[in-house]
Amino acid sequence: DGGITQSPKYLFRKEGQNVTLSCEQNLNHDAMYWYRQDPGQGLRLIYYSQIVNDFQKGDIAEGYSVSREKKESFPLTVTSAQKNPTAFYLCASSMIAGEQETQYFGPGTRLLVL
Amino acid sequence: KNQVEQSPQSLIILEGKNCTLQCNYTVSPFSNLRWYKQDTGRGPVSLTIMTFSENTKSNGRYTATLDADTKQSSLHITASQLSDSASYICVVSAGSSASKIIFGSGTRLSIRP
Repeated sequence: DGGITQSPKYLFRKEGQNVTLSCEQNLNHDAMYWYRQDPGQGLRLIYYSQIVNDFQKGDIAEGYSVSREKKESFPLTVTSAQKNPTAFYLCASSMIAGEQETQYFGPGTRLLVL
Repeated sequence: KNQVEQSPQSLIILEGKNCTLQCNYTVSPFSNLRWYKQDTGRGPVSLTIMTFSENTKSNGRYTATLDADTKQSSLHITASQLSDSASYICVVSAGSSASKIIFGSGTRLSIRP
């Protein structure tokens, strides 16, 4: 069953804690992305990766970190420096990073602060 | 500033009726425009993609139009079904970089029986 998966579905963060959101794809896509979705706003790009061991900051990268050690995996860490982390986080992938490429999205992780 | 504006913010219609969602953009240079459907608590799913030279694209009961001169697009849904209840997001690409993909805030559509 091909696709893109995210875990967990819900995640709770305590004050000062770092948390990591998982994103895995078996579509053999080179490019992967992390977006943040807040109510009433469009998706905002956090980080993206065009190839293994390479990634670039998006529009709102402060307080977040990523790694791309494997083609299939692109985990996102929300650090304690991110002061307003409550949001719906979406991971996406595409064959390559190009404007003609369709992005395929995972089911999302909702992060809540305790 | 590159922007994508969608209207209305929310819409309620009866099952079986048609509806049209609007998208206006100020994105340059224009590469393509997509419409996505996002069910509550799920990731968006692509419905259509249109490039500069295309002015209409259909996907079943969904028909998207594009007027590149006025920088407007619409998504028309025919004979709505309860499963059409979702948010519909207009996305415009302004170039080859991932940072040039601009998302609208979406229209929340509710279909009532």
